[in-house]
Amino acid sequence: GQQVMQIPQYQHVQEGEDFTTYCNSSTTLSNIQWYKQRPGGHPVFLIQLVKSGEVKKQKRLTFQFGEAKKNSSLHITATQTTDVGTYFCAGPNNAGNMLTFGGGTRLMVKP
Amino acid sequence: ETGVTQSPTHLIKTRGQQVTLRCSSQSGHNTVSWYQQALGQGPQFIFQYYREEENGRGNFPPRFSGLQFPNYSSELNVNALELDDSALYLCASSTPRTSGSGELFFGEGSRLTVL
Repeated sequence: GQQVMQIPQYQHVQEGEDFTTYCNSSTTLSNIQWYKQRPGGHPVFLIQLVKSGEVKKQKRLTFQFGEAKKNSSLHITATQTTDVGTYFCAGPNNAGNMLTFGGGTRLMVKP
Repeated sequence: ETGVTQSPTHLIKTRGQQVTLRCSSQSGHNTVSWYQQALGQGPQFIFQYYREEENGRGNFPPRFSGLQFPNYSSELNVNALELDDSALYLCASSTPRTSGSGELFFGEGSRLTVL
């Protein structure tokens, strides 16, 4: 079945440093979504990428979708303590009725 | 706030018991999906309901069952609970039938502990 992998599993950074998480799918995706889950919270939608090679920015967050539509990345510039949480990528199956989530990257930021 | 509400927020059961979790979807959302999230892992798809019918199922045994009501709210039932069923159960509502192509709105979740 479809698999979505994320690396790294954990990342500790000093406040102000940059952070990147990478996502790889075993299958070509029609789109990829990113979610953030704060400790003790629930996943919150950040963004959806649809086009091959697409790059989208949200303030300090930059999202990329690979040319082959099988990989994606999230880059955070100058991390802040508010960025703490686990970042998940997720891709739909062919039927489009479910999302397969990666294992997530847990970001910890030292003030 | 997503407008998706789940109950109960926490519960403790013992092995072999049965549990029912409830979800009210966001206004206007006719599709509800359930996910299981074990500690330290990503959410895993259990099933989806659209217009009161199951519209896709993940790799979960038949003792996981569900319902959707005319008002689009939904229930997840788990029979013969096992220790490995301990997890956060997330309900997500969405607008398009194919929730894989649209944003999922998650509720706060129901944290189930099986002893």
